[in-house]
Amino acid sequence: DSGVTQTPKHLITATGQRVTLRCSPRSGDLSVYWYQQSLDQGLQFLIHYYNGEERAKGNILERFSAQQFPDLHSELNLSSLELGDSALYFCASSGRPGHTDTQYFGPGTRLTVL
Amino acid sequence: AQTVTQSQPEMSVQEAETVTLSCTYDTSESDYYLFWYKQPPSRQMILVIRQEAYKQQNATENRFSVNFQKAAKSFSLKISDSQLGDAAMYFCAYRSADMNYGGSQGNLIFGKGTKLSVKP
Repeated sequence: DSGVTQTPKHLITATGQRVTLRCSPRSGDLSVYWYQQSLDQGLQFLIHYYNGEERAKGNILERFSAQQFPDLHSELNLSSLELGDSALYFCASSGRPGHTDTQYFGPGTRLTVL
Repeated sequence: AQTVTQSQPEMSVQEAETVTLSCTYDTSESDYYLFWYKQPPSRQMILVIRQEAYKQQNATENRFSVNFQKAAKSFSLKISDSQLGDAAMYFCAYRSADMNYGGSQGNLIFGKGTKLSVKP
């Protein structure tokens, strides 16, 4: 168990809908990263938050957004969903003093868009 | 931009034998971190081993060790005494040590993975 939690584990929805994925980092970690894993694109970085502030964006679509709350949990919002958004979405955390370089992954949320 | 290449889409090893998974990367940075992550059928991403580029000593974690060749930009993973539970996808990943370099801001850059099968 990495100590990173993600909910829900599975999500099935229809095209055009909006969903929210939630992530709680390991205790003491200040950074949350979101990654998307799809069959054709592999593992891709979406966005990074550090202590409530956005630090970097990767290949994140404009239909997607995220935020990190004062208690350090993070949410990834996916809207106007398309079939191609079906993927496994991971969050990872890091930032504990002395171990800032290593990211620990949550179990992922499997999103299926029908 | 940094890239990570895993040239072996699939590998197979006999139980109790040793196998080496290859990874090469491209970067102009001198300080960075390299990782191997394991993804079993459960799809959980599990950290296997971590290497700091400024350390010449190869990292080891029990049956897992790396051969880090900085000049060649090579980072292979050796699994000794392979077990059935080692069967998984293995991903090599790169992370910049400079948080402000090229906007990377510390995210991981992954290779496409190597699927390891372990035969009983």
